[in-house]
Amino acid sequence: AQSVTQPDIHITVSEGASLELRCNYSYGATPYLFWYVQSPGQGLQLLLKYFSGDTLVQGIKGFEAEFKRSQSSFNLRKPSVHWSDAAEYFCAVGGSNQGGKLIFGQGTELSVKP
Amino acid sequence: GAGVSQSPSNKVTEKGKDVELRCDPISGHTALYWYRQRLGQGLEFLIYFQGNSAPDKSGLPSDRFSAERTGESVSTLTIQRTQQEDSAVYLCASSLRLAGGYEQYFGPGTRLTVT
Repeated sequence: AQSVTQPDIHITVSEGASLELRCNYSYGATPYLFWYVQSPGQGLQLLLKYFSGDTLVQGIKGFEAEFKRSQSSFNLRKPSVHWSDAAEYFCAVGGSNQGGKLIFGQGTELSVKP
Repeated sequence: GAGVSQSPSNKVTEKGKDVELRCDPISGHTALYWYRQRLGQGLEFLIYFQGNSAPDKSGLPSDRFSAERTGESVSTLTIQRTQQEDSAVYLCASSLRLAGGYEQYFGPGTRLTVT
């Protein structure tokens, strides 16, 4: 079955510290992978996506993610977290055989300490 | 506004009543999706539309849920005889094409509370 697992429900980091949010997926074909961010009262915003090619992808707001096929992972990273990064982060998988629908993980809530 | 809009933003209804949720996609986007987000959960796919093709209804949880879309414009999600477990945020998204490679742009959602 196709699924996305985000093992960490809640993470707290200090402002300026580095961040890594984990995402593992199960998908039968070549996956398209996404990270979205949801701030309170806001809609989901796409941070970055992977379709093919370079396995390290850069996104907005200084985020990056690395696709590791052997580990079925697509972890999100940021070298230095800002207080404004506090939000809910969702990893999602889709593919050419799914007609565009996305399967989402349960989300990781990020809190940032001053 | 160039984004996806949804109305109402909040809806409180009594158990057993019918509700209609509306989505206005980005102009020119041929694909439209509905998702449900229960409290503390990720998004669950409900249905998508692509132009005049038959919609993919595989995610609708029961026959109380239905959705319509006229051409490439507005979509309405209808929930009949609402139940408390229907309480959730309902999100609409649109994309330029129906394919995995196209970014989905999400609306702000409709928060439905069934009392």
